[in-house]
Amino acid sequence: KAGVTQTPRYLIKTRGQQVTLSCSPISGHRSVSWYQQTPGQGLQFLFEYFSETQRNKGNFPGRFSGRQFSNSRSEMNVSTLELGDSALYLCASSLTGQGYGYTFGSGTRLTVV
Amino acid sequence: GESVGLHLPTLSVQEGDNSIINCAYSNSASDYFIWYKQESGKGPQFIIDIRSNMDKRQGQRVTVLLNKTVKHLSLQIAATQPGDSAVYFCSYGDSGYSTLTFGKGTMLLVSP
Repeated sequence: KAGVTQTPRYLIKTRGQQVTLSCSPISGHRSVSWYQQTPGQGLQFLFEYFSETQRNKGNFPGRFSGRQFSNSRSEMNVSTLELGDSALYLCASSLTGQGYGYTFGSGTRLTVV
Repeated sequence: GESVGLHLPTLSVQEGDNSIINCAYSNSASDYFIWYKQESGKGPQFIIDIRSNMDKRQGQRVTVLLNKTVKHLSLQIAATQPGDSAVYFCSYGDSGYSTLTFGKGTMLLVSP
């Protein structure tokens, strides 16, 4: 079966711009979680969506937002980009949203210049 | 907030050796633990997990040990192969929530 698909794979943006990343979960998975990965902070939880509802949110500023569509595909948006937002953004899908059911995508590498 | 504490060391081993990767965590409320492997350019890949009611679990060439008394988790890889070279992350979660907390990772380098 197809895995978790994240698009685009690479992105370069300028400070102050906004960006939208996409994640298509495994068919049948209703939960999508987003993580930010940086060398300094490791993997940090952004938010989790289940059946179009945000169930949990990590400790990130309001510039980070997301949504989930009825087909379970999810998008995350970062507005007013800062240099520190440069990171690998990973999404993980699961059937119920339990962390032990995660399947990760390959991520979107965002570079802010 | 509480987090899984893991240095970011590099463990270099020879092919065929056994490897042990350690992880210290701080939150005793977690009830499951997962080890992930991340190769360059890819997302984390599930290796093995263990519930808090167990202290050892074995998979194919991998064993996870959990010591709740000292809040310590380890991953043992038997007969390490060059294909095992990657960054390994420990993580923990609470089955009542949908988030995982990750350690910062250990780079495993296996030389032929």
